[in-house]
Amino acid sequence: GDSVTQMEGPVTLSEEAFLTINCTYTATGYPSLFWYVQYPGEGLQLLLKATKADDKGSNKGFEATYRKETTSFHLEKGSVQVSDSAVYFCASSSNYQLIWGAGTKLIIKP
Amino acid sequence: EAQVTQNPRYLITVTGKKLTVTCSQNMNHEYMSWYRQDPGLGLRQIYYSMNVEVTDKGDVPEGYKVSRKEKRNFPLILESPSPNQTSLYFCASSSGQGWVGEQYFGPGTRLTVT
Repeated sequence: GDSVTQMEGPVTLSEEAFLTINCTYTATGYPSLFWYVQYPGEGLQLLLKATKADDKGSNKGFEATYRKETTSFHLEKGSVQVSDSAVYFCASSSNYQLIWGAGTKLIIKP
Repeated sequence: EAQVTQNPRYLITVTGKKLTVTCSQNMNHEYMSWYRQDPGLGLRQIYYSMNVEVTDKGDVPEGYKVSRKEKRNFPLILESPSPNQTSLYFCASSSGQGWVGEQYFGPGTRLTVT
C-alpha cells in the first residue's frame, strides 16, 4: 500500500542554519504531497503543498519540490529561527485519505 | 473566524465509562475526519465522513463510533473506553472537492483512560 517515510528526529540546529527534512513516498498513482506543521500544544496546520511532479510548494521561507523520479518531497529552509521549532509531518493524498509520515521534531537553539 | 473546535480539550476518565468528544466546523466542509496521535506512531485515522450520513472506517476504528447527522458536527464516541485509547485526538475537516489533502485541524483533545 501507499506509505510515507520521513527522517527520524529530533533534528537539532542552531538559529540561521540550513534545514532539510527528508520525505519519500510510495504510491500507485500520482498523489498530491503536503507538509504540515504542529507547534507545541496546537493542532496541525498545512505548511505547503504540491499537486503534480516538479511543482514547488513554498510558505514562510520553507520550500519543497515534488520529485517523481526519486519519489521525494524534502522540506528545506535557508535560515531557521527559534520560532520554527515544531513537529513537521509529510503526507500524501490517496483517494479520500491522507497517508502520514511519523513526524520529525525540529529543535532550534538560539 | 474559520475554525474547527473540539470539546473537551482534556479528559480523564475510567475504563468502561462511555464518553463523547465533540467536533464542530464552521466552514461548511463536506469532509471530516478523526485522528489519534501517539508517540512514535504519527497520526492514525480512526474514521472519516465524506458528507452527512456517510461515514467510513480509517486505519484504527476498533473501539470507536462516529455519527454525521449534520454537516458541521462529527462527534467521536467511545462506548467502553480502555487504557489503550489514552491518546491525543484530533478532528479535521476539508472542503473535499475531489481530494482531501488540505485539512483544517482542531486544537486536540488529550484523553487519559485509567
